[in-house]
Amino acid sequence: ILNVEQSPQSLHVQEGDSTNFTCSFPSSNFYALHWYRWETAKSPEALFVMTLNGDEKKKGRISATLNTKEGYSYLYIKGSQPEDSATYLCASGNQFYFGTGTSLTVIP
Amino acid sequence: DGGITQSPKYLFRKEGQNVTLSCEQNLNHDAMYWYRQDPGQGLRLIYYSQIVNDFQKGDIAEGYSVSREKKESFPLTVTSAQKNPTAFYLCASSIRGLAGFTGETQYFGPGTRLLVL
Repeated sequence: ILNVEQSPQSLHVQEGDSTNFTCSFPSSNFYALHWYRWETAKSPEALFVMTLNGDEKKKGRISATLNTKEGYSYLYIKGSQPEDSATYLCASGNQFYFGTGTSLTVIP
Repeated sequence: DGGITQSPKYLFRKEGQNVTLSCEQNLNHDAMYWYRQDPGQGLRLIYYSQIVNDFQKGDIAEGYSVSREKKESFPLTVTSAQKNPTAFYLCASSIRGLAGFTGETQYFGPGTRLLVL
């Protein structure tokens, strides 16, 4: 079983603030790191798949970085909006081990 | 619309009863997966299948069974041997699988919440 950890567990930010959170994973036998957004009452939706050390991906105001040598990925949201409120999941490992997620609430 | 459907949205199980959760996809994906979510825990893999008539156990397969008779369908049966079945169950698919190795994106259904009476 792979230990994938996310921090913080939850986060409340004001609209317009930028924020970031972390996904940690074992650096040995790394294949890929996935980020998903899971809004209440909806299905988890893929944000990024990252495979190479130093990868940076961007989708609108959301971006992610990957460090496979030290075993972490950061997800950044610039200028948070209420519609960014969701739980953000990361997953890694051959059997797709998920972290417990970071719950983001953006206060208007 | 292509996607994954799960039914029912809520399911109630009586003690000693087997119940089956449905998962159907029309994405023409080879691989399908079942996950369980409990409060305060990440999604945990129950079973996965990369091809029709073949499936593999995940970390928490005890008390569950699956079948893959058609590419589009991957039903999960929660048997009476599963002593703590109350959870939220998510089905997913990916183009070829195994998504963890290949880096493929998984596409998720809306989930089924199973409650014990």
